[in-house]
Amino acid sequence: KAGVTQTPRYLIKTRGQQVTLSCSPISGHRSVSWYQQTPGQGLQFLFEYFSETQRNKGNFPGRFSGRQFSNSRSEMNVSTLELGDSALYLCASSHTRDTRRENTQYFGPGTRLTVL
Amino acid sequence: GEDVEQSLFLSVREGDSSVINCTYTDSSSTYLYWYKQEPGAGLQLLTYIFSNMDMKQDQRLTVLLNKKDKHLSLRIADTQTGDSAIYFCAETYNQGGKLIFGQGTELSVKP
Repeated sequence: KAGVTQTPRYLIKTRGQQVTLSCSPISGHRSVSWYQQTPGQGLQFLFEYFSETQRNKGNFPGRFSGRQFSNSRSEMNVSTLELGDSALYLCASSHTRDTRRENTQYFGPGTRLTVL
Repeated sequence: GEDVEQSLFLSVREGDSSVINCTYTDSSSTYLYWYKQEPGAGLQLLTYIFSNMDMKQDQRLTVLLNKKDKHLSLRIADTQTGDSAIYFCAETYNQGGKLIFGQGTELSVKP
C-alpha cells in the first residue's frame, strides 16, 4: 500500500500571500489530521477531517482552514501568511477516529513552508 | 489538561541500550505511541501500546507503561548509529483524530 503523500514538498512564499497544501491519505483511510511543527512550539494539532467534515480543531487562527474531498484527500489553506507560519506541515491518516480502537496515525513526509 | 513531557537529549554509545522516558497527563488516553523523526523527514511510527497493557516488545524495542504514574518508556536494545533521530511519544486525546505530542527526545548514538 502506498503511504501518505503530501504536495508540494517545499514552498517559499512572501508575507500576505496565501498557500494551499495537499494530502493524499493511505487507501481506505478516512480520517486526515494536520499538524504544524516548529522548533519553538513543537508538534501542534491543526484540525482533523473525517467523511468530508471537520471533526476537531486545534487552537489556530481562522487564517488556517482545510477541507476534505469525497475520496478522502485533504487540503489545508493558510491565508495572509505571516513570518511565523514558516514550519513543517504534516498530514496524517488513520482508518478510524474511534479512540476506543487502535487508530494509528500514519504520517506523510511533510511540506516545508518558508515565509519571507 | 493536555501535556506530554519528555527529556530533550540522550546520548549513548553504539551497542548500549537507550531508554527514552515520557510522562502524560490524560488518564483517559487509550493508546500511546512512539514515533521517530529523522532530519528532513516526517514521522515514522515505531510502536504503540494499549492502555491496559504494561509492556510490549517488538524486536529491539520494548515499551513499558506505568498507568498509575502516567509514565511511558521506550527501550532500544543494541542501539545503532542509524537509531540517531528525534523520538516523540504521543497520546490520543479523548477526541478522535488528535494526538498530543511530547517535545521530542534527540537521541545521539556515538560509535
